[in-house]
Amino acid sequence: NAGVTQTPKFQVLKTGQSMTLQCAQDMNHNSMYWYRQDPGMGLRLIYYSASEGTTDKGEVPNGYNVSRLNKREFSLRLESAAPSQTSVYFCASSDGTGFGYTFGSGTRLTVV
Amino acid sequence: KNQVEQSPQSLIILEGKNCTLQCNYTVSPFSNLRWYKQDTGRGPVSLTIMTFSENTKSNGRYTATLDADTKQSSLHITASQLSDSASYICVVNRLSGTYKYIFGTGTRLKVLA
Repeated sequence: NAGVTQTPKFQVLKTGQSMTLQCAQDMNHNSMYWYRQDPGMGLRLIYYSASEGTTDKGEVPNGYNVSRLNKREFSLRLESAAPSQTSVYFCASSDGTGFGYTFGSGTRLTVV
Repeated sequence: KNQVEQSPQSLIILEGKNCTLQCNYTVSPFSNLRWYKQDTGRGPVSLTIMTFSENTKSNGRYTATLDADTKQSSLHITASQLSDSASYICVVNRLSGTYKYIFGTGTRLKVLA
């Protein structure tokens, strides 16, 4: 009963490096989301995927790209990391009703 | 503008005491409201979820209330424990719109022995 699994849990990048954050869910949810959480701010939506094959920008998409690989997996890519992208990143999935909504445990990313 | 505001920002209480956290929202169209608990370094975990027609929902020592007319919700924690130390996030789900889940910034609760 894993729910939403994120990897890695921690990552340190140098400015300009690239990396991909992985997310997988085993609840057969259609919708998946990527958020970032910064001190003193609420969770902010980066990108979301309402269903397999579709992706849309959220509130803060600049500097990120996503791929909905299949129904289970939704990855977030930083092409050229910047210090402003230092944050904790959460993946979530939902069944679309608003009732089944589950978060992963997060990836703490530091860009130096 | 769709917003969720929580108060207080932070709270310190002694173990065994009760406390109440507040959530006011201006989100529409309203679908449901959820309270999450987020332990340090972990993802948010759902405590309760309430629809328009529900005004109280309990989960152990956690009791959430909803007044859909005034667009206010509260989370009451009874007989607090050290493990209640966490951030509590109020999230309102919209029935429609681009961004369906509107998050509050959370209340950080610290329970002292």
